[in-house]
Amino acid sequence: ETGVTQSPTHLIKTRGQQVTLRCSSQSGHNTVSWYQQALGQGPQFIFQYYREEENGRGNFPPRFSGLQFPNYSSELNVNALELDDSALYLCASSTSYPGTDTQYFGPGTRLTVL
Amino acid sequence: AQSVSQHNHHVILSEAASLELGCNYSYGGTVNLFWYVQYPGQHLQLLLKYFSGDPLVKGIKGFEAEFIKSKFSFNLRKPSVQWSDTAEYFCAVTGGGNKLTFGTGTQLKVEL
Repeated sequence: ETGVTQSPTHLIKTRGQQVTLRCSSQSGHNTVSWYQQALGQGPQFIFQYYREEENGRGNFPPRFSGLQFPNYSSELNVNALELDDSALYLCASSTSYPGTDTQYFGPGTRLTVL
Repeated sequence: AQSVSQHNHHVILSEAASLELGCNYSYGGTVNLFWYVQYPGQHLQLLLKYFSGDPLVKGIKGFEAEFIKSKFSFNLRKPSVQWSDTAEYFCAVTGGGNKLTFGTGTQLKVEL
């Protein structure tokens, strides 16, 4: 166990809806990264937050957005859901900036879009 | 852009067999390299990492990996696998930034 927690565990939405996923960092970690893991693929970087600001973004459209709070917890928001958004969403926390430290992953949120 | 290639998508071994999983990366600068493991029903866990120094790194559960800069490789090895090593293994790299780039993973099944 890493101390990184995510909620909810599973979620089912329909196309066009909006979803919010939550992540609590491991104690002492100030950086949160979000990844999307489609079935049979490795995780893909969505974005990272450091001190409440976005600090790097992967190839994901603007309808993927996030927040980091003063306690370093984080949210991932996805608007206008598409079928291809069905995936496991992983949150990872780390201690330092930039990415020279190790990222520790939570258990993920399984999102199904119908 | 950095990329990671894992050559073996599915590997089946008998207990006590030796394991080597290939990983090659593409990036022109200094890299940090990782192997993560995902056991069935569990979250991604760090097996080992290389930042600098001795290119042969040892991780948990008897795993090791060797960084060969000239070959852009970071292969994972274990001399004798156990049934409990059945899992999916991911190679990942960060370089010049703050994002992990993962390979597509290797599903390892160890048979009794």
